Amino acid sequence: KAGVTQTPRYLIKTRGQQVTLSCSPISGHRSVSWYQQTPGQGLQFLFEYFSETQRNKGNFPGRFSGRQFSNSRSEMNVSTLELGDSALYLCASSLNHGRDEQFFGPGTRLTVL
Amino acid sequence: KNEVEQSPQNLTAQEGEFITINCSYSVGISALHWLQQHPGGGIVSLFMLSSGKKKHGRLIATINIQEKHSSLHITASHPRDSAVYICAVARGPGGGADGLTFGKGTHLIIQP
Repeated sequence: KAGVTQTPRYLIKTRGQQVTLSCSPISGHRSVSWYQQTPGQGLQFLFEYFSETQRNKGNFPGRFSGRQFSNSRSEMNVSTLELGDSALYLCASSLNHGRDEQFFGPGTRLTVL
Repeated sequence: KNEVEQSPQNLTAQEGEFITINCSYSVGISALHWLQQHPGGGIVSLFMLSSGKKKHGRLIATINIQEKHSSLHITASHPRDSAVYICAVARGPGGGADGLTFGKGTHLIIQP
């Protein structure tokens, strides 16, 4: 069974731009969670999607948004990028809930210049 | 104070040593996760537990719900165990609204 895939793996943007990251979960997994990892804050929960609905949301500004498609693939979008958005963005899939065992993708490393 | 505290932050040991990493949390949880992250970023889920003890190969995880404490043990440590080990909790019961909350991680280096 293929693992979680994320595209792109690396991304360089400038301040003010927007970016869209993609995550394809393990086949059969219906929950996708997104996380941000920075050296200063560590890993932080962004949001969780299940059956095309955002089920949970972390403490991030509205510039961070996401969606999930009927095939469980998910995208997250960050608008009006700031330098502090430079981070590793990880998605994880689980069978039915973000509290289930999570399987992580390799991450997208975003650099904002 | 962080809701999930790990200790030690850094640990260097010799190959073959018994390793213990501790995790304490201050919120009610439905489950606790132990994760492993190697340089380059990839995260692997090692254990998810809500009570008792689990074992997988040389890794053992225990949790004491009453004391809000969990430990991850590595027996016969090997240089390939060098990684960052992260404890994460899922709030509960029924309180999963915040997703997983993570500790800062323990940087483990096993020297040959």
